[in-house]
Order: sequence, then C-alpha cells, then structure tokens
Amino acid sequence: DAGVIQSPRHEVTEMGQEVTLRCKPISGHNSLFWYRQTMMRGLELLIYFNNNVPIDDSGMPEDRFSAKMPNASFSTLKIQPSEPRDSAVYFCASSPMTSGHEQYFGPGTRLTVT
Amino acid sequence: GQNIDQPTEMTATEGAIVQINCTYQTSGFNGLFWYQQHAGEAPTFLSYNVLDGLEEKGRFSSFLSRSKGYSYLLLKELQMKDSASYLCAVGTISSGSARQLTFGSGTQLTVLP
Repeated sequence: DAGVIQSPRHEVTEMGQEVTLRCKPISGHNSLFWYRQTMMRGLELLIYFNNNVPIDDSGMPEDRFSAKMPNASFSTLKIQPSEPRDSAVYFCASSPMTSGHEQYFGPGTRLTVT
Repeated sequence: GQNIDQPTEMTATEGAIVQINCTYQTSGFNGLFWYQQHAGEAPTFLSYNVLDGLEEKGRFSSFLSRSKGYSYLLLKELQMKDSASYLCAVGTISSGSARQLTFGSGTQLTVLP
C-alpha cells in the first residue's frame, strides 16, 4: 500500500498567486482530512470529507480557502489568493470511517508564500 | 469546543522511563489518541484509548481517565530515536460522521545519551 500521497511536497509562491495542493487517500478509506501545521497554532483541522462529501469546514480560515473531493481517490485544497500567513505544512490524512479509528497522514506539503 | 493541555518540552536519558501528561476538556468525547511526529515528518499513530485504563503496546503505554479528563503516554527503555514531538489528540464524533481529531500543541521530547 502506497499510503496517503500528497503533491507537491514543497511549494514556493508569491503573494497573490493561486496554490493547489493535491491528495490521494488510501484506497478504501471513506474519510479524508485536511490539516495545517504551524509553530504558532500547531496542527489544525481545516476540513474533512466522508464519502466525498464535505462534512465540517469550520476550520477553513476564510473564503480564500476551498477544498473539493470529486471522487474517492482525489482531493484538492486551493488557496486563492495566497498570503504570507498561509505559509505552513499542509497534511492530508485518511481513515476508514466505519471501523477504523486511526488516521493515516500523508507526508505533507510545505508551502511558503513570499 | 476542545481544550487540550500538554507540556511543551521534556528531556530524559536513554534507557529511562518518561511520562507525558495530557489534560483535556471536551464535549462529545470519543477517544484519546497519541501520535508521534519526528521533525520534518508526518504524525504517525501510537495509541488509542476509549475506555478508562491502561493500554500497553511494547515499550509504549497509554492511560485514560475520562472522569478526570486526563491521559498519559508512558515510554519505557527510551532510545535516541524516541526524540520527537508527541501529540495528544481528542476524538469527537457526530452522527453518521467519522471521528474528528483535535490535537494538542505537542510535547517535544529530547532523549539524551
């Protein structure tokens, strides 16, 4: 099993540009989570999906952030326009909804907005 | 909402035992999780408690008291590779949904030779 796959691993962009982060969950997992981690705020849940449907997006910082899950094997997190304060490591995690209690994290995308 | 407290840093010696405490306040409690995160890497699952008591898994054990809102992670026979951040996370679940985790700020453990 390849585990959760995220791309890109590193992204450096200028303020105002659009950024798209990608995630492929573990096959068969029903739930997908997007987190952001910074030194100041720790690991924060942004949004999560069950069976491709967004369940709770209360952690999304503002309207500049959006997430989609068009099918069971792919999700995107988009920031438009990006700002320097969005610099962080963004993790995607997946879990089997019905029986599993462990979330499996991807390697993360380190985003730097200059 | 959830409020989770754990020490920021701890230091211990190789071969020793260390206990990392976590206290929490939450509604809709559904499990207490511990994750390990090495610098520059993703968090990885260590242990899970949903009922009161001790869960043992090799060198790592985790304890939960739901009435006190308290958990600890016990690491025995410390090794240098155990130097990492240890994240306490509280699980909550709403009807028909997956378990959602809220993470503490993490305890940075340094193991000295």
